[in-house]
Amino acid sequence: EPEVTQTPSHQVTQMGQEVILRCVPISNHLYFYWYRQILGQKVEFLVSFYNNEISEKSEIFDDQFSVERPDGSNFTLKIRSTKLEDSAMYFCASSLGQGTGFGYTFGSGTRLTVV
Amino acid sequence: AQSVTQLGSHVSVSEGALVLLRCNYSSSVPPYLFWYVQYPNQGLQLLLKYTSAATLVKGINGFEAEFKKSETSFHLTKPSAHMSDAAEYFCAVRVDSGNTPLVFGKGTRLSVIA
Repeated sequence: EPEVTQTPSHQVTQMGQEVILRCVPISNHLYFYWYRQILGQKVEFLVSFYNNEISEKSEIFDDQFSVERPDGSNFTLKIRSTKLEDSAMYFCASSLGQGTGFGYTFGSGTRLTVV
Repeated sequence: AQSVTQLGSHVSVSEGALVLLRCNYSSSVPPYLFWYVQYPNQGLQLLLKYTSAATLVKGINGFEAEFKKSETSFHLTKPSAHMSDAAEYFCAVRVDSGNTPLVFGKGTRLSVIA
């Protein structure tokens, strides 16, 4: 069964450093998403991406965050200058269409720890 | 804006007992509701979804959920728990308005005791 692949599974970084989280969505999917879950809290929407541009973003997704689909297969989330509060599990997801009949397929997540 | 509340961050049941995980939603328009499961070190997997057809929805692994508009609930049940059901379960809501994202609850960790 097709999968969404995320790398790395765990990343530790120092505060102030830039990190790039990588995702390979399912190959024929068109819509891409990033979510995050701070330990003990809700899974929160960050951003959705379609046709090489952001289609929606939450208030969490400020200027420190950016997304890119650099080569037609990877979908990356960059955090420019990490803060302690960015420590969380980050999930990538993709879907074939945008209606509710189209489910999301999630990756297994990247645990980001900022020290 | 839509939201979901999952009552109980941790539920523990004996093997063979009924599983009941609670989810209440808030939405100003008819919602679409989902349950996802996350096994250790794995991604979020769709268990079942309600999209305004039948109010009783059957999913994978013997789980089902019933949409009750009067109670604004979408509780997840399974008649007989199995050890392999131990996981984190997330309720989520979405409204059919463009590419609106899923909104998740905080999750409920299910433990199954032998």
